[in-house]
Amino acid sequence: GESVGLHLPTLSVQEGDNSIINCAYSNSASDYFIWYKQESGKGPQFIIDIRSNMDKRQGQRVTVLLNKTVKHLSLQIAATQPGDSAVYFCAEGDGNKLVFGAGTILRVKS
Amino acid sequence: NAGVMQNPRHLVRRRGQEARLRCSPMKGHSHVYWYRQLPEEGLKFMVYLQKENIIDESGMPKERFSAEFPKEGPSILRIQQVVRGDSAAYFCASSPGSAISRETQYFGPGTRLLVL
Repeated sequence: GESVGLHLPTLSVQEGDNSIINCAYSNSASDYFIWYKQESGKGPQFIIDIRSNMDKRQGQRVTVLLNKTVKHLSLQIAATQPGDSAVYFCAEGDGNKLVFGAGTILRVKS
Repeated sequence: NAGVMQNPRHLVRRRGQEARLRCSPMKGHSHVYWYRQLPEEGLKFMVYLQKENIIDESGMPKERFSAEFPKEGPSILRIQQVVRGDSAAYFCASSPGSAISRETQYFGPGTRLLVL
């Protein structure tokens, strides 16, 4: 869905633990979803994507889960590292453009 | 293989001046997208271009904003008579094709515009 608000939700995890970042999307017709990582002062960096004909996709240390019934997307990061600290955005494909969610701040405590 | 290039990285303008933001897509990519990001918000789509064509400008403000992607050279996002509300980070993305479900968009580092 569209991003709103001035205060992003924050997830704090201990280094080595698993992280789960959630996202709700609004358009039931969306068939493509992406997770991006954005570090301070940088552009969004592609992490992983998933198409609507799948409910799970795995990458290196990351897994994306898609639940079309409740229009929910999640990103799981295994063995979270300090370098994973960033803002994470989900995005859904809408025609020619991406529609970004509000973002979640991930803070990794050493 | 260089990624998406944007310049300048930081741009300061006074109200009423013009801002020109440039984007060079990744090698082999012919599709360019511009997004705007306000602090603590997600990116919002502005415009989608292919070489010499504007395909979708549904996110562009009706006045003062324009974009082009000429046959030669980078894509340009132009903001005329800037106002303080134009202060934001502007990101360019590129993809090799246009089918959103098949072509990942890769983003540049952004241009941070500050209007005084």
